[in-house]
Amino acid sequence: KAGVTQTPRYLIKTRGQQVTLSCSPISGHRSVSWYQQTPGQGLQFLFEYFSETQRNKGNFPGRFSGRQFSNSRSEMNVSTLELGDSALYLCASADPGLVNEQFFGPGTRLTVL
Amino acid sequence: AQSVSQHNHHVILSEAASLELGCNYSYGGTVNLFWYVQYPGQHLQLLLKYFSGDPLVKGIKGFEAEFIKSKFSFNLRKPSVQWSDTAEYFCAVADLSGGSYIPTFGRGTSLIVHP
Repeated sequence: KAGVTQTPRYLIKTRGQQVTLSCSPISGHRSVSWYQQTPGQGLQFLFEYFSETQRNKGNFPGRFSGRQFSNSRSEMNVSTLELGDSALYLCASADPGLVNEQFFGPGTRLTVL
Repeated sequence: AQSVSQHNHHVILSEAASLELGCNYSYGGTVNLFWYVQYPGQHLQLLLKYFSGDPLVKGIKGFEAEFIKSKFSFNLRKPSVQWSDTAEYFCAVADLSGGSYIPTFGRGTSLIVHP
């Protein structure tokens, strides 16, 4: 099976702009989660989608949003970018029967200037 | 909410040395426990997991971890590290009794192994 894929791999944006990141889960996985990874903070959970519905949400401001499509692909959007949003954004998918065992993609490295 | 502490942020070892990385979570209940590894330039990948049963869990590449419920701990061990074990290691806990199965991750431990 192909793994989790994320596009783009790298992005450079300026403050105030918005960005959309994409994630394609492993075939058959319907749960998609997003994490922000920064040095010293580890992985912080953003949100989880299952069957096009947001099932869980972390403690991030409303500038961070997401959605999931009927084919389980997911997008994450960050509006009004701030310097502190610079991070590696990871997408993870999970099998419906083992929803807390996450399979991670390579991440999108976002740099905000 | 559950929190996860990884006591060692940076560990430097020589090849063949023994490794133990600490992981503690904040409170009990039914938990699923994980260790993930991120090699330089690669994806996060699962090293081992504990759901139930034998508290001593064996994973890939010679790693093992022991779940000690009374200490809320899930420490990772390897008797003899190799240069190729240089990576970042993350402990994660899914607190099933808390109603959310989404794992909470620790801040990670960076391991450097000198040849």
